Amino acid sequence: GENVEQHPSTLSVQEGDSAVIKCTYSDSASNYFPWYKQELGKGPQLIIDIRSNVGEKKDQRIAVTLNKTAKHFSLHITETQPEDSAVYFCAASESGGGADGLTFGKGTHLIIQP
Amino acid sequence: GAGVSQSPSNKVTEKGKDVELRCDPISGHTALYWYRQRLGQGLEFLIYFQGNSAPDKSGLPSDRFSAERTGESVSTLTIQRTQQEDSAVYLCASSPGGASGRTGELFFGEGSRLTVL
Repeated sequence: GENVEQHPSTLSVQEGDSAVIKCTYSDSASNYFPWYKQELGKGPQLIIDIRSNVGEKKDQRIAVTLNKTAKHFSLHITETQPEDSAVYFCAASESGGGADGLTFGKGTHLIIQP
Repeated sequence: GAGVSQSPSNKVTEKGKDVELRCDPISGHTALYWYRQRLGQGLEFLIYFQGNSAPDKSGLPSDRFSAERTGESVSTLTIQRTQQEDSAVYLCASSPGGASGRTGELFFGEGSRLTVL
């Protein structure tokens, strides 16, 4: 089955700086890579996703890049703000969710220092 | 509109007791998932429903765990003879689904926190 590794487990950055979280996956058949943000006491919420037919996707301060050859993908947050503090999870799937669900990484606790 | 609703939000039980966790998905969502999140860990896939059938039960950790879904609505996750290692947050998610099984975004509830003493 799919295995997703995520690094770092904790990331502390100064407000206004950029943050980068990296994930690798094992199953070359995976073609859907979402990122979820989980605030304290809440369920995870999708913030951006990318499918394997593109290498990069951007939404305001958030961008995701995908390297299918190397089987890794990254989340980039620019101009970080206090409300970006949360746990971020990457995930991978062959079917976009479906019968095998999403395989999640262990999460990155992002701390934005004022 | 209403999101995914889970109950109870918190449950403390004694080892050996049975517990039942409930999930009300977003209306019209055919796909429903259960995940387990241990403290400081990622999300562990348990089971997936498409409608009221469960094509993939491979994530259920033992035969003490079972789940069912009524039609395309409420689902219950039952844990029998609870053990301390069952302590975790149990998250339910739903998705619009589709015949192909491609579901895209998952909409999560806030979870049920289970503590087994």
